Amino acid sequence: ETGVTQSPTHLIKTRGQQVTLRCSSQSGHNTVSWYQQALGQGPQFIFQYYREEENGRGNFPPRFSGLQFPNYSSELNVNALELDDSALYLCASSLGGQSSYNEQFFGPGTRLTVL
Amino acid sequence: DAKTTQPTSMDCAEGRAANLPCNHSTISGNEYVYWYRQIHSQGPQYIIHGLKNNETNEMASLIITEDRKSSTLILPHATLRDTAVYYCIVRTLWGAGNMLTFGGGTRLMVKP
Repeated sequence: ETGVTQSPTHLIKTRGQQVTLRCSSQSGHNTVSWYQQALGQGPQFIFQYYREEENGRGNFPPRFSGLQFPNYSSELNVNALELDDSALYLCASSLGGQSSYNEQFFGPGTRLTVL
Repeated sequence: DAKTTQPTSMDCAEGRAANLPCNHSTISGNEYVYWYRQIHSQGPQYIIHGLKNNETNEMASLIITEDRKSSTLILPHATLRDTAVYYCIVRTLWGAGNMLTFGGGTRLMVKP
């Protein structure tokens, strides 16, 4: 059983550019959530995808968008990058459905720096 | 999801039990208590969760008070590798998935 993987590990972009981050979910998981973690803070929920559809969104602007593919892998896209978008972006996978055991398993994250 | 209150930081001697408290006085009947930890520069790691009964697994024990307004995560024999930020989260399971609302967490430092 493979864990959650994310790519790239690190990324440097300039203000105004666009970025795509990728996540492969753990085997058997159909739900992917994305979180943003600024330095020194806890992760903040961006959005969640379940079976290729957005299934909940946090307080993030529309320039944060995502996709989930039939194999349940996912992408996070951020347009018009701002300096404050510099953060660790975490992907978490889980098994969706009404269960008390669907804990989320996190990947190692992508460190994005916006200059 | 209900909010949680945790101490900002705690120290623990290696080999001793680490007891991490969490207050969640506004928790509702269908909300679970979850604990995650985050070791420096890694993604958060699931530790344990519970609804109203005490729970134990290979990593830790979770003690929830009878009124469910607070809980304690216990690491029975802390090691240096347990140094991390520990997050207490209460949440409702909804729909096909769920989101985690992280607070500031407790930074646990295990010392030799």
